[in-house]
Amino acid sequence: GAGVSQSPSNKVTEKGKDVELRCDPISGHTALYWYRQSLGQGLEFLIYFQGNSAPDKSGLPSDRFSAERTGGSVSTLTIQRTQQEDSAVYLCASSLAVSAEAFFGQGTRLTVV
Amino acid sequence: DAKTTQPTSMDCAEGRAANLPCNHSTISGNEYVYWYRQIHSQGPQYIIHGLKNNETNEMASLIITEDRKSSTLILPHATLRDTAVYYCIVPRAGNNRKLIWGLGTSLAVNP
Repeated sequence: GAGVSQSPSNKVTEKGKDVELRCDPISGHTALYWYRQSLGQGLEFLIYFQGNSAPDKSGLPSDRFSAERTGGSVSTLTIQRTQQEDSAVYLCASSLAVSAEAFFGQGTRLTVV
Repeated sequence: DAKTTQPTSMDCAEGRAANLPCNHSTISGNEYVYWYRQIHSQGPQYIIHGLKNNETNEMASLIITEDRKSSTLILPHATLRDTAVYYCIVPRAGNNRKLIWGLGTSLAVNP
């Protein structure tokens, strides 16, 4: 597609359940990032993938969070045993390796009830 | 990342130029200045970036001071659709991937 695509756009889940969020980056973009944004806050870095290199996981808030990127394209962010403080908009972005110009998806709004 | 300081909010009349300032006094010589904006309920959108020279594209102009300690994003003819939060970011050199985002400037363009 022409842009970064994220699914679902909205997700409501019960506390304690696992959720999977999907990101389809722009074709040809080797770098992929996940951020989250709580209400009224700036973006918080979670994880970064670059080609075949080991991902930078330094922003993941706990071991309940994990992400993978299969075949250098689609990425899935998994949150296990969700908590209410996990409620936020989860944003995915991609970029060409040589530039920090990042293209963002519309995000997934996660609500944990 | 070099720390950036932006005003919390600004107002601008429709059709007038919007000038959004950013201070980045700890910037290093090889660090770029990036600007993004986020319209309500949308993902952030890249606007422009620069190193030393002033830059212009179809969206905006970026003016960087000679000492590189501050910059100004200029929207030459602001429209209502330019109402958004504008983020000034200076990524650490060699680590452009992990952008650190502050709270930005909330720009309101008024009719």
